Amino acid sequence: QVQLVESGGGVVQPGRSLRLSCAAFGFTFSSYAMYWVRKAPGKGLEWVAAMSHDGSDDYYADSVKGRFTISRDNSRNILYLQMNSLRVEDTAVYFCARDPGWRLSRYFFDYWGQGALVTVSS
Amino acid sequence: QSALTQPASVSGSLGQSITISCTGTRSDVGGYDLVSWYQQHPGKAPKVLICEGTKRPSGVSNRFSGSKSGNTASLTISGLQAEDEADYYCCSYASSRTFVFGTGTKVTVL
Repeated sequence: QVQLVESGGGVVQPGRSLRLSCAAFGFTFSSYAMYWVRKAPGKGLEWVAAMSHDGSDDYYADSVKGRFTISRDNSRNILYLQMNSLRVEDTAVYFCARDPGWRLSRYFFDYWGQGALVTVSS
Repeated sequence: QSALTQPASVSGSLGQSITISCTGTRSDVGGYDLVSWYQQHPGKAPKVLICEGTKRPSGVSNRFSGSKSGNTASLTISGLQAEDEADYYCCSYASSRTFVFGTGTKVTVL
């Protein structure tokens, strides 16, 4: 069955970097667009980034543009989120999620990982 | 990319029906039939309930239904059950492959 497993979360100081990974199982990873969504403590869900199925296109929320980079390795079935210049307000649980459209986005999220906690604190 | 507006909380009795609104603009909710709704229990990953405005993905109870009028989308939960107590979020496509979530609604079952 479809499974998404995030890793790489932890505690990091403001201004530093961290890379999250999302390992995908149970589906043809290279045929689906993927996303990162986060939830800060006591706040709602926030869409962070998107990547097309083949890695040719990426899109970002204004709050992370220029600091975060989404990428994927379709040979290893892994989605990444490189987070640079981290700020206290980036503290959140980060979820990876799948678009259900096969090679053509349907613009919603059908499967989610369990989340990885990132804490930015001095 | 301002968050869509949802009521902070909605409550209802067992068996009752409730409706959660989600208000955006012509640039998101009103511009596309691409609103989705998610249920999130504490400490868990979100679960999709409604996609493309009104469609229920396979396996989702028919107690959940979605609709839209202008710049406002709505989620109705009928026959409220104890396990429906959770946070609910709307989400809309917002052009150029970006998305915007709602502020979230806490549903309490009385």
